[in-house]
Amino acid sequence: AQKITQTQPGMFVQEKEAVTLDCTYDTSDQSYGLFWYKQPSSGEMIFLIYQGSYDEQNATEGRYSLNFQKARKSANLVISASQLGDSAMYFCAMREWSAGNNRKLIWGLGTSLAVNP
Amino acid sequence: DTGVSQDPRHKITKRGQNVTFRCDPISEHNRLYWYRQTLGQGPEFLTYFQNEAQLEKSRLLSDRFSAERPKGSFSTLEIQRTEQGDSAMYLCASSPKVGISGELFFGEGSRLTVL
Repeated sequence: AQKITQTQPGMFVQEKEAVTLDCTYDTSDQSYGLFWYKQPSSGEMIFLIYQGSYDEQNATEGRYSLNFQKARKSANLVISASQLGDSAMYFCAMREWSAGNNRKLIWGLGTSLAVNP
Repeated sequence: DTGVSQDPRHKITKRGQNVTFRCDPISEHNRLYWYRQTLGQGPEFLTYFQNEAQLEKSRLLSDRFSAERPKGSFSTLEIQRTEQGDSAMYLCASSPKVGISGELFFGEGSRLTVL
């Protein structure tokens, strides 16, 4: 079973508008972390934002915010005021902190975001 | 530039040939990871080093794959007797520690095409 599910293969947004990219996850660990990365066509994975399972407040980083709903096991990324440079693949990932299991990220399939001028 | 660097960025080879990729992590990072990413997929974990010790290998890493980090600095990933199914982007990442977030810093990847 997929541990990270991104249900939107592709999304379009108008420049300067906000967009939400969905991510749901599955884990039995109580302690885990959720990440969002951006991958432009150049290939590099760029870290955007992190949310720990015990963090009470939603994470924010500039124009990025994470809408964390623990009971629903969702960690949606919100990008405000979209820019043309935001066009890229976006990946949601999870790290489970249980012993021996915290060395790797588990990734979703990604969402391709296109920002229209 | 003090980020993670990977070389070569692109490699085209014929089936059966050996290829080697190099990764130079951020200098103060002692943890290094290799991932493989195929088209339309998220990255898949291959292996992990803490300093020079290879602490974890994925089952994806067949006996044709070998990774080293001899002095705890740069790392190499070698694929012997390449197959067409090895065509993918090979991503290297490093991190200073698995702490509060354990954020990974990625290089731009090495894209392999096996003809």
